[in-house]
Amino acid sequence: QQQVKQSPQSLIVQKGGIPIINCAYENTAFDYFPWYQQFPGKGPALLIAIRPDVSEKKEGRFTISFNKSAKQFSLHIMDSQPGDSATYFCAASKDYKLSFGAGTTVTVRA
Amino acid sequence: NAGVTQTPKFQVLKTGQSMTLQCAQDMNHNSMYWYRQDPGMGLRLIYYSASEGTTDKGEVPNGYNVSRLNKREFSLRLESAAPSQTSVYFCASTLAPGGNQPQHFGDGTRLSIL
Repeated sequence: QQQVKQSPQSLIVQKGGIPIINCAYENTAFDYFPWYQQFPGKGPALLIAIRPDVSEKKEGRFTISFNKSAKQFSLHIMDSQPGDSATYFCAASKDYKLSFGAGTTVTVRA
Repeated sequence: NAGVTQTPKFQVLKTGQSMTLQCAQDMNHNSMYWYRQDPGMGLRLIYYSASEGTTDKGEVPNGYNVSRLNKREFSLRLESAAPSQTSVYFCASTLAPGGNQPQHFGDGTRLSIL
């Protein structure tokens, strides 16, 4: 079974809206939590990442919120643009391996 | 700067045929990975190579073999393809071993097995 549970499967927002993607994990040994962005026909690309000793990290319009006690983390896309339309994957790392969530397809309508 | 290059981009096989997927990186990375991506499943690690000369099983290794040919190249082989192996396959590389390293992905090989 998947070690990282991601929701929702898809979401649609209007331009300027704030899509929020949530992920949850059980294994407390995970020590690094990246988000990857994937456009159709392309491979995933690292977007932003956080370590469990930090509660929030911002890079441009992308923000990760991390709740260690709840074993949950989320991605917020501020002031979303049509160019942000993509599939987003959360992941969690232990040793050499990344465990990915199932992905969320975000559509930003102009 | 090509990054990670995968060949072929598309392939259709019949059940029982064999096939090797090729991956090469030009970033002088030490570690390389093979994933498969299926709808609703995210990416699942098949095999990885922490450094040249080493390979290890990932989450879903059954039905696959790998070869780390040199530092640049990491191939994935299906000895006897099955319809359950229909998927999009991604190769990735990192500068050093470890899941906390940014993974650089190729654009994938779309494989259909009839």
